[in-house]
Amino acid sequence: NAGVTQTPKFRILKIGQSMTLQCTQDMNHNYMYWYRQDPGMGLKLIYYSVGAGITDKGEVPNGYNVSRSTTEDFPLRLELAAPSQTSVYFCASSYGDLYRGNNEQFFGPGTRLTVL
Amino acid sequence: QKEVEQNSGPLSVPEGAIASLNCTYSDRGSQSFFWYRQYSGKSPELIMSIYSNGDKEDGRFTAQLNKASQYVSLLIRDSQPSDSATYLCAVIGTGRRALTFGSGTRLQVQP
Repeated sequence: NAGVTQTPKFRILKIGQSMTLQCTQDMNHNYMYWYRQDPGMGLKLIYYSVGAGITDKGEVPNGYNVSRSTTEDFPLRLELAAPSQTSVYFCASSYGDLYRGNNEQFFGPGTRLTVL
Repeated sequence: QKEVEQNSGPLSVPEGAIASLNCTYSDRGSQSFFWYRQYSGKSPELIMSIYSNGDKEDGRFTAQLNKASQYVSLLIRDSQPSDSATYLCAVIGTGRRALTFGSGTRLQVQP
């Protein structure tokens, strides 16, 4: 199993450009998440999904959109990129609810995005 | 008040010593607590999860939870230089379905 994969690894955008961060998992996990991590900070939840066709906002959803058409894929769309979106973006997945014991959240390697 | 608070450090301990990392949380209804380790430039990896008051041990790691005082801690015994990393405390708050992270404590283990 590849686990959680993310592409691209690095990207530089100009202000106002758009892009999609790709995330795929091959563990048949129902839950998927997008976090961003600013330098020296913890991770903040952007969006999450509990299954195909179901998404919900996290703490910092403004400026982002998501879709979940398949179990495996959970792309994150940035529209009109702004310097405040410069961050490292992590995708993660879990089989079920994290508050139920024995469900672990697995993280992808991250995408480092710079908006200039 | 931040939902999950950690001292940013760095916490510096000599090799072989016990490292003690602390975390407090504001949501009294939180039920699930996690410690992640994150090496520089890498993604977080789960070290421990704890759900009940008391201690939970796994190898050199012990997680301690005190819901009445709303804190969770991580002890690392026999610290090694390879333990040098940022340790993130994460909590699932009331009605939440995803983790809320603290900003992390940077641990440095001196050889």
